[in-house]
Amino acid sequence: GENVEQHPSTLSVQEGDSAVIKCTYSDSASNYFPWYKQELGKRPQLIIDIRSNVGEKKDQRIAVTLNKTAKHFSLHITETQPEDSAVYFCGQDTGRRALTFGSGTRLQVQP
Amino acid sequence: GAGVSQSPSNKVTEKGKDVELRCDPISGHTALYWYRQRLGQGLEFLIYFQGNSAPDKSGLPSDRFSAERTGESVSTLTIQRTQQEDSAVYLCASSPGLAGSTDTQYFGPGTRLTVL
Repeated sequence: GENVEQHPSTLSVQEGDSAVIKCTYSDSASNYFPWYKQELGKRPQLIIDIRSNVGEKKDQRIAVTLNKTAKHFSLHITETQPEDSAVYFCGQDTGRRALTFGSGTRLQVQP
Repeated sequence: GAGVSQSPSNKVTEKGKDVELRCDPISGHTALYWYRQRLGQGLEFLIYFQGNSAPDKSGLPSDRFSAERTGESVSTLTIQRTQQEDSAVYLCASSPGLAGSTDTQYFGPGTRLTVL
């Protein structure tokens, strides 16, 4: 199957704290796992992605980890800021190039 | 350069009418995708075009939905005999279409469709 489950559905953190969002997938053939950020009323934008040949990737305050054995990958945001507030979607490739997305996590960073 | 553009940004229609949504991909991108996003929900794959290959229509929810793409440029998504459950934001994305791997998809701003 091509399902991807995302948790939690909502997450509230204090400014400066870390936030972690986790996705679990079922298709062991998947090789590409992007994370998109969608602010209210705006288009989804890629913030980071990882391919199956690496276990971790970092870009400033954002990191993604991938565990292919357990079939899960996580988004880590450190030193959260109010502008990080948005809905975050994880995705996986399906072998058809189109992506399957998780149901989204609404992150609220409290100032 | 210019990103993915979509028109109209908003469309309100009456149940039973047909609608046509347009997507202009990033110039040079050979791959184009349509997704549907219902209110407060995730992105649901509809259809994928890659160059001159036959499109992957496996995500289209019913035969009322169809899409066309002229070469490697504009695409139109048509919904016939619209129903209230078709109300959603329809997002288009494009990617370079690099051979051998899945590449980054860039999304347009979407068309918000409301069926009364």
